[in-house]
Amino acid sequence: SAVISQKPSRDICQRGTSLTIQCQVDSQVTMMFWYRQQPGQSLTLIATANQGSEATYESGFVIDKFPISRPNLTFSTLTVSNMSPEDSSIYLCSVHTVGVLFGQGTRLTVV
Amino acid sequence: QKEVEQNSGPLSVPEGAIASLNCTYSDRGSQSFFWYRQYSGKSPELIMFIYSNGDKEDGRFTAQLNKASQYVSLLIRDSQPSDSATYLCAVRTNAGKSTFGDGTTLTVKP
Repeated sequence: SAVISQKPSRDICQRGTSLTIQCQVDSQVTMMFWYRQQPGQSLTLIATANQGSEATYESGFVIDKFPISRPNLTFSTLTVSNMSPEDSSIYLCSVHTVGVLFGQGTRLTVV
Repeated sequence: QKEVEQNSGPLSVPEGAIASLNCTYSDRGSQSFFWYRQYSGKSPELIMFIYSNGDKEDGRFTAQLNKASQYVSLLIRDSQPSDSATYLCAVRTNAGKSTFGDGTTLTVKP
């Protein structure tokens, strides 16, 4: 099965700054998915990243806040922009296989 | 109503017992059903999936699906302390979107 490498694994950031999270898959995939898992809560889909087209965002998430790049079939980035403490969360990239295969996650703390 | 609902938990069972985790879903168009295990500080990992009504067994794990009742469950037999984790139920529609429940935290006591 595919292997997903995500970085950074964790970061502590100042409010008002931005963080870009990178996700690399060891095989070509049509769609990559970005999830958020807030403390003590389940997974919420942020957006679907398609190669060659704009990402598709779920209700409550907007491109200005979470811009996504998908330059090729193995790589994607998610940027968390103008961060506030409410953005403190775990961010996970994923691909669909039989179920959902997740990267290791990025634990973000905004101070 | 949440799209996917799970027992609020936490659930505690003694070692060797059967742990029963339950999940209901609201979208009758859901086609695929999954159980994920998430250890503290780790990403969720898929442990079971089921597509058809009935039971599916894999080692100590049995997934049960009843589409008429919109109900899916996970049984863990001979529970071990290493099974202590949060278990997430997820459903996927034909459109390919996966929706996750809030999870049930299981503790297996030695």
